[in-house]
Amino acid sequence: AQSVTQLDSHVSVSEGTPVLLRCNYSSSYSPSLFWYVQHPNKGLQLLLKYTSAATLVKGINGFEAEFKKSETSFHLTKPSAHMSDAAEYFCVVSPMNRDDKIIFGKGTRLHILP
Amino acid sequence: EAGVTQFPSHSVIEKGQTVTLRCDPISGHDNLYWYRRVMGKEIKFLLHFVKESKQDESGMPNNRFLAERTGGTYSTLKVQPAELEDSGVYFCASRRATVGQGGNTEAFFGQGTRLTVV
Repeated sequence: AQSVTQLDSHVSVSEGTPVLLRCNYSSSYSPSLFWYVQHPNKGLQLLLKYTSAATLVKGINGFEAEFKKSETSFHLTKPSAHMSDAAEYFCVVSPMNRDDKIIFGKGTRLHILP
Repeated sequence: EAGVTQFPSHSVIEKGQTVTLRCDPISGHDNLYWYRRVMGKEIKFLLHFVKESKQDESGMPNNRFLAERTGGTYSTLKVQPAELEDSGVYFCASRRATVGQGGNTEAFFGQGTRLTVV
C-alpha cells in the first residue's frame, strides 16, 4: 500500500527567504512522486516530478525537490520565496502498478509575508 | 497534445436536482480518475477507470453518484439527487496505461468543475 504525508498544513515565510515544504511517503516499491500547486480558483498545475532518474529534481518557478529513499522523503524547496508563490501545494504518489490509484497528500498552504 | 478537459467549469444547482459532469481525458490514456475537494478539506479519491471498466470505486460517497466511461473515452459523473454536501471542486485526471520510466506515470489533471449546491 502507498501513502503520502505532508507534515505541515500551513507554512509562512517572508518574501525573499527560503521555502521548505515537507513530504514523506510510504511505498512497497519505488514510486513516482510529484508536487502539484493550486492557486486560488485555479486548477492543479504540475510543479515537478520524480520518476527514478536523478534524485534532485528541478521544476518550474525555481522549485526543486530531492528524493531521499533512506528518509522516504520528497521535500519541496525554493531558495527565495516570491509573493506569487502563495498557494496550496500537494505531494502526490503515483503507483507503478497501473491498477493503483494516485494518492494525494493533504496539502500545505504556503503564505508569503511581505 | 490537448490536455484533460472538464465541462462545465462551474455549475450551480438546487438541492434535489441532477448534475452531470464530464471529463475528456488525453487521447490514448487508458487510466481516468475522479477526485473531489470539498472546501477546506483534502483532495479525496472517488474512482478509477481503466478503459471502460471501473478499477476502483471505493471512494464514491454513496449511490447518488454514478460514473460512466462508455467506450473508454470520455467519462461522466452524475449526481442525482444533489445534496448540499456535494458542493466542491471535482477533478479529473488521466494517465497512460504503460507504466515505466520518464513521463509515463505522470497524471494530467483537468481544471476542475466547481459544483455549488444551494
